[in-house]
Amino acid sequence: NAGVTQTPKFQVLKTGQSMTLQCAQDMNHEYMSWYRQDPGMGLRLIHYSVGAGITDQGEVPNGYNVSRSTTEDFPLRLLSAAPSQTSVYFCASSRIAGASGDTQYFGPGTRLTVL
Amino acid sequence: AQSVAQPEDQVNVAEGNPLTVKCTYSVSGNPYLFWYVQYPNRGLQFLLKYITGDNLVKGSYGFEAEFNKSQTSFHLKKPSALVSDSALYFCATGDYGQNFVFGPGTRLSVLP
Repeated sequence: NAGVTQTPKFQVLKTGQSMTLQCAQDMNHEYMSWYRQDPGMGLRLIHYSVGAGITDQGEVPNGYNVSRSTTEDFPLRLLSAAPSQTSVYFCASSRIAGASGDTQYFGPGTRLTVL
Repeated sequence: AQSVAQPEDQVNVAEGNPLTVKCTYSVSGNPYLFWYVQYPNRGLQFLLKYITGDNLVKGSYGFEAEFNKSQTSFHLKKPSALVSDSALYFCATGDYGQNFVFGPGTRLSVLP
């Protein structure tokens, strides 16, 4: 198992550009999520999905879109990049959607810089 | 709303000494508590979790955590620190099912 994979590892954008961060998992997990990590703030939830075709907003969803057409993939789209979106982005997954206490497994992250 | 606090930004400990990284929580209902570790330029790795049962939870790499309901704490401990334990440690709790709420992180430095 590759686990949770993310591409790209690094990305530099100009303000106003759009891009998609890719996330895939090969563990047949129901639940997937996106977080952003900023210094001194821990990780904050952007969007999450409890299964194919079902997504919902987390704590900081503005400026981001997601979709989940398959169990394996959960891409994160930045519609019009802003410097405030400079961050490290992590994708995570867990086996059973709605199971409190289920362990989440994280990808290696994407470091995004918006100029 | 669920929340966790990590009162120390930085913890320094000498190699071979015991280490403690502190976490306190505020949750409604049964707490589901986790510890993750992040090494430089890496993703988060799961260390251990408390769901129910024994207050002392054992996890990966010799780490353990003590759940204390009366003090609403879930401190991470290791009897003998290694230089390789130097990393960023996050406490987290499950929120409304399984969305995680993370603390701000504590940077652990183990000095040789």
